[in-house]
Amino acid sequence: KAGVTQTPRYLIKTRGQQVTLSCSPISGHRSVSWYQQTPGQGLQFLFEYFSETQRNKGNFPGRFSGRQFSNSRSEMNVSTLELGDSALYLCASSLGQGAYNEQFFGPGTRLTVL
Amino acid sequence: DAKTTQPPSMDCAEGRAANLPCNHSTISGNEYVYWYRQIHSQGPQYIIHGLKNNETNEMASLIITEDRKSSTLILPHATLRDTAVYYCIVRESHSGGYQKVTFGIGTKLQVIP
Repeated sequence: KAGVTQTPRYLIKTRGQQVTLSCSPISGHRSVSWYQQTPGQGLQFLFEYFSETQRNKGNFPGRFSGRQFSNSRSEMNVSTLELGDSALYLCASSLGQGAYNEQFFGPGTRLTVL
Repeated sequence: DAKTTQPPSMDCAEGRAANLPCNHSTISGNEYVYWYRQIHSQGPQYIIHGLKNNETNEMASLIITEDRKSSTLILPHATLRDTAVYYCIVRESHSGGYQKVTFGIGTKLQVIP
């Protein structure tokens, strides 16, 4: 079974631009979560989607948004990019909701904002 | 959210057991303890999880104290490939079954030959 895939793997943008990242979960998984990882802050939860609905949101500004499609694929969008948005963005999928569901992470998209 | 506290770094000799502690003193009854590790430039990898009983799988053992305020991940025979950042996290289930995850900074484990 194929793992979680994320595209693109690397991205370079300039301040003020917007960016869209894509995540394809493991086949059959319906929950997708997004994380931001920076050296200073570690892994921080962005949001979680299940059945096309955002179920939980972390403490990030409204410039960070996402959505999930009927096939469970998810996209994350960051508008008006800032230098501090440079990070590794990780997507994780799980079968369903609830703490008994194991999360599987993708390789991440490394975003550099210049 | 229950928060976790881990030492920022640890060393372990190759072939010896690596014991990685985690404090989660504000954990509530319906929260699970999960451990992941992240090898440089890869996504986090699931290791093990538990609620209140000790757990063991092919990768590691998880020891949870009786009051559930702390836990220890044990890698019984550490190898160089176990060098990674280890994350202890607490996952909760809100009403309706929604899950929310809080990650800490993790412990950087260096296995020394």
